Amino acid sequence: DAKTTQPPSMDCAEGRAANLPCNHSTISGNEYVYWYRQIHSQGPQYIIHGLKNNETNEMASLIITEDRKSSTLILPHATLRDTAVYYCIVTFNTDKLIFGTGTRLQVFP
Amino acid sequence: DAGVTQSPTHLIKTRGQQVTLRCSPKSGHDTVSWYQQALGQGPQFIFQYYEEEERQRGNFPDRFSGHQFPNYSSELNVNALLLGDSALYLCASKLQREFDNEQFFGPGTRLTVL
Repeated sequence: DAKTTQPPSMDCAEGRAANLPCNHSTISGNEYVYWYRQIHSQGPQYIIHGLKNNETNEMASLIITEDRKSSTLILPHATLRDTAVYYCIVTFNTDKLIFGTGTRLQVFP
Repeated sequence: DAGVTQSPTHLIKTRGQQVTLRCSPKSGHDTVSWYQQALGQGPQFIFQYYEEEERQRGNFPDRFSGHQFPNYSSELNVNALLLGDSALYLCASKLQREFDNEQFFGPGTRLTVL
C-alpha cells in the first residue's frame, strides 16, 4: 500500500469549510483513496472514497489531483461534532486498512 | 438495525493471562476484521475472517488467534498477555462482495494488562 502523509493537526472555525490534505505520491493505478474519521472514544467511521474522479456524498467531498499524488477531503460546513482524527488511506485491498496517525481536526466555536 | 457490537467494553487482565473478546457484525454482514489501536496511534490490522476461515493476517504473533461462527460473529483470543497488548481492540464488519468497500467499526474493547 502506498504511504500517506497528513499534517498532524488542523483547526477550523465552526461553519467554515475544513480542507484536510493528504499526500500519496507513490500511489499506484489500482489503489483507491479512502477517508475515515475517529471521534474520541469511538470506532473509525467511513467518510468517502475515490479512485481518480472527485467524489461527493452527504458527509464530504473528495478532490483527487489529476496525477493522483495528493487529495483533499472537504467538510463544507464544519460543526463541533466534526472534531475528530481523520485518516487518509491508500489501498487496493479494502479488506485490510492500513491506518497512519491521521490529522487531528479541532473545530472551534 | 444494530451496528457492530463488541463485548466487553473494558477488561483488565494481568501478564500471562488469556483473554477472549467478542464481536457481532452489522446485520447482513459476513466478514469480520480485528484491529489493535495503541494509545495515540492509528488502528493496526490483526486479521480478517470470512466463511469461518482466517483470510488475511497482519504482522501479529501467533498469540493472537480468532474464530468466526456460522452466524458470522467472531472472537479474538490473545494468549500469554504482555503489557504491550494493552490497547483498544476494534472489530469491523463488511459484506464480502466486489463493490461493497465500506467497513463498519464497533466501539471497541479497552484491554488493560497489568
